Amino acid sequence: SQKIEQNSEALNIQEGKTATLTCNYTNYSPAYLQWYRQDPGRGPVFLLLIRENEKEKRKERLKVTFDTTLKQSLFHITASQPADSATYLCARYNAGNMLTFGGGTRLMVKP
Amino acid sequence: NAGVTQTPKFRVLKTGQSMTLLCAQDMNHEYMYWYRQDPGMGLRLIHYSVGEGTTAKGEVPDGYNVSRLKKQNFLLGLESAAPSQTSVYFCASSYGDPTEAFFGQGTRLTVV
Repeated sequence: SQKIEQNSEALNIQEGKTATLTCNYTNYSPAYLQWYRQDPGRGPVFLLLIRENEKEKRKERLKVTFDTTLKQSLFHITASQPADSATYLCARYNAGNMLTFGGGTRLMVKP
Repeated sequence: NAGVTQTPKFRVLKTGQSMTLLCAQDMNHEYMYWYRQDPGMGLRLIHYSVGEGTTAKGEVPDGYNVSRLKKQNFLLGLESAAPSQTSVYFCASSYGDPTEAFFGQGTRLTVV
């Protein structure tokens, strides 16, 4: 089966620094990878989608990369703020429109 | 603009009891999903539906059943609840690959 793995350890960084989160996948490369943000007690909210043939995608302070050789996507938040503290999840569609998620990485940005 | 609505928000069940969780979406999405989320873990797919009247098993389907009689509704049933089913349940819907999924606010279920 197609799996997505994220670093389960929380990432603690100082305000103003760049946060980098990793998403690794197994087997065949998905055509797309998605990234979501989840705040405590709430459902995930979609942030970005990156296509297999896109090296990089940006949205304001967010940047996502997709490396099919390493089977990895990196999610960056530049100039991080305490309000960026949340759990970030990556996701992919598998065959039959089965949408699966990684375990998520909790980000804590300290002032 | 309701989006995805889950009912109920909280529920406590005794072991062996049954219940149904309701998910309703108003975006005319074809695809709907049920996930469970346990502390420190990501979302695990229970069952999903690719259209009205169709359902499929996800990663952790045992102990659950689903039905999609109407396009806008996706029901998740627990026939005989077990403490291992204590979790937060999320419903989501989308237009399918590769579009974004929209999530409900979650249902916190405790089985004692």
